[in-house]
Amino acid sequence: TQLLEQSPQFLSIQEGENLTVYCNSSSVFSSLQWYRQEPGEGPVLLVTVVTGGEVKKLKRLTFQFGDARKDSSLHITAAQPGDTGLYLCAGEASGTYKYIFGTGTRLKVLA
Amino acid sequence: EAQVTQNPRYLITVTGKKLTVTCSQNMNHEYMSWYRQDPGLGLRQIYYSMNVEVTDKGDVPEGYKVSRKEKRNFPLILESPSPNQTSLYFCASSPSPVLQETQYFGPGTRLLVL
Repeated sequence: TQLLEQSPQFLSIQEGENLTVYCNSSSVFSSLQWYRQEPGEGPVLLVTVVTGGEVKKLKRLTFQFGDARKDSSLHITAAQPGDTGLYLCAGEASGTYKYIFGTGTRLKVLA
Repeated sequence: EAQVTQNPRYLITVTGKKLTVTCSQNMNHEYMSWYRQDPGLGLRQIYYSMNVEVTDKGDVPEGYKVSRKEKRNFPLILESPSPNQTSLYFCASSPSPVLQETQYFGPGTRLLVL
């Protein structure tokens, strides 16, 4: 069974600080997605990374896919209270049309 | 407005009483899916459907049934709910089975089984 492990599980930081969230697996994924979920709502896609080594930027968010396509990271620069939420990575289980989600990182940014 | 809708949003029931959670999307998406979300476990896929009359098991299908008779609807059926099915449920859809597509999630259904 393919698994995606996220770390840290919880993160509480001050506004303006930088942070990195990790998504790791022992398996290769053809692509990985990052979602953000706010309380009372469903997850919303932030980005999809497809190529090993790929880096994508979304304003203050930088996403990287590992060279071996087994891991990914999300880096937030100068975090703001509006970044507060649950961050989830997700990938395709090889050879299937099933999604596997990581356990999530709950981020709280304090003003 | 393009959206995925789920009903009901909140449901309290008792063990063994059959229930159905409806899911509908208005985006003509082929791929639809059901997830449950539990603390510390993230989202786990229950069932998915690649098109009308095509469904398959996800990682945690036990105790659940689905059907896809129409493209827009994908109901989740609990024939005999048990307390371990207390959870937050999400329906999602995407344009095609290609997994690089964006999944659009519904607002969630919070289920409590007593």
